[in-house]
Amino acid sequence: SQELEQSPQSLIVQEGKNLTINCTSSKTLYGLYWYKQKYGEGLIFLMMLQKGGEEKSHEKITAKLDEKKQQSSLHITASQPSHAGIYLCGADVIGNQFYFGTGTSLTVIP
Amino acid sequence: DAGVIQSPRHEVTEMGQEVTLRCKPISGHNSLFWYRQTMMRGLELLIYFNNNVPIDDSGMPEDRFSAKMPNASFSTLKIQPSEPRDSAVYFCASSLPQGRNEQYFGPGTRLTVT
Repeated sequence: SQELEQSPQSLIVQEGKNLTINCTSSKTLYGLYWYKQKYGEGLIFLMMLQKGGEEKSHEKITAKLDEKKQQSSLHITASQPSHAGIYLCGADVIGNQFYFGTGTSLTVIP
Repeated sequence: DAGVIQSPRHEVTEMGQEVTLRCKPISGHNSLFWYRQTMMRGLELLIYFNNNVPIDDSGMPEDRFSAKMPNASFSTLKIQPSEPRDSAVYFCASSLPQGRNEQYFGPGTRLTVT
């Protein structure tokens, strides 16, 4: 959706490399969610951020929320083939609406 | 818990036919969402329910689409008549009361309309 822009649209990295995916909202954020989707499957929840400056980690994946900039970043350290998939951000925005971002396709080359 | 259950997993139908997609949310979840995912448009929210009541159906593309939630454990999304441009993967998701809670997604129904 145009309310949430993700960048880059796709990413190809060598195994072991670090990478960052960004998500920017055009509306005031109340909550920011990160999901991962494998091709042909449903979305799997990764983590949720609610407060400005909040940072959460799950294994080698870290997400941060910059409330002022209405942005979130997802960082993967030492990427592995198991990290491959589509990463989507989702957001609760003003007006009690929920949107998903455009998605970032990640390929990790062994 | 079995998670969100959707059926069928795959549906192939001819243009003009009626299609009904089914969803069973996670027990105890008050909110249910229907999404459509295509390469061109990404993941789009079609409609969501809170406590079986439709709250926002602004994402439903046309009158050909309708959704119901007769009880807390079952919802349907119906397309009648179906058209080739309806081909997509349709996801159902459920969560605790909408807002500030993560959604749990079903495996999706891949619909092909020929």
